Amino acid sequence: QQQVKQSPQSLIVQKGGIPIINCAYENTAFDYFPWYQQFPGKGPALLIAIRPDVSEKKEGRFTISFNKSAKQFSLHIMDSQPGDSATYFCAASKGFQKLVFGTGTRLLVSP
Amino acid sequence: GAVVSQHPSWVICKSGTSVKIECRSLDFQATTMFWYRQFPKQSLMLMATSNEGSKATYEQGVEKDKFLINHASLTLSTLTVTSAHPEDSSFYICSAEQGNTEAFFGQGTRLTVV
Repeated sequence: QQQVKQSPQSLIVQKGGIPIINCAYENTAFDYFPWYQQFPGKGPALLIAIRPDVSEKKEGRFTISFNKSAKQFSLHIMDSQPGDSATYFCAASKGFQKLVFGTGTRLLVSP
Repeated sequence: GAVVSQHPSWVICKSGTSVKIECRSLDFQATTMFWYRQFPKQSLMLMATSNEGSKATYEQGVEKDKFLINHASLTLSTLTVTSAHPEDSSFYICSAEQGNTEAFFGQGTRLTVV
């Protein structure tokens, strides 16, 4: 019940494309759903986060869609650039404590 | 966002020795710090949660006598890997949060035990 399932494991898109990464959770007590970007050898950096009281949140080129009834949320990256190539992790927690991370998606944006 | 700094960024040690990793919140007081472990191409796994002035809470399967955590002040937590062995080689990452706000991550420490 603590798992967060993430897909796909890897993703290749062309520059300008819109990669979509999906996550699903089981624990209905989770109320904080962040997305992190991680470059090799670096710690994860918070991209965007959402609470379950909204269905969508947009910050710059990053959008989270949230479906509370299906217990799913996804990250969309608009107008993707080669610099977006990184590993993306979804996570979930109750409050801000003890984040449970998804398995990660390695994104490659080709020039 | 707030800054969390880890030191060292990478360390190589001999098998059987102990290694200390520091995690500092530079511009805020961290009531809670978290320690994660990440193997290559894998996700982050929470090892323990530490609150200033109290004993750390370890996740199931994490040896508390091997991974010693000290959170002596509101800006510093340390993780000591005792009697390190090659299987302890990993990327260790801390995060810090101040009173029910989002957590900020350090840049990680790459530990290699030879």
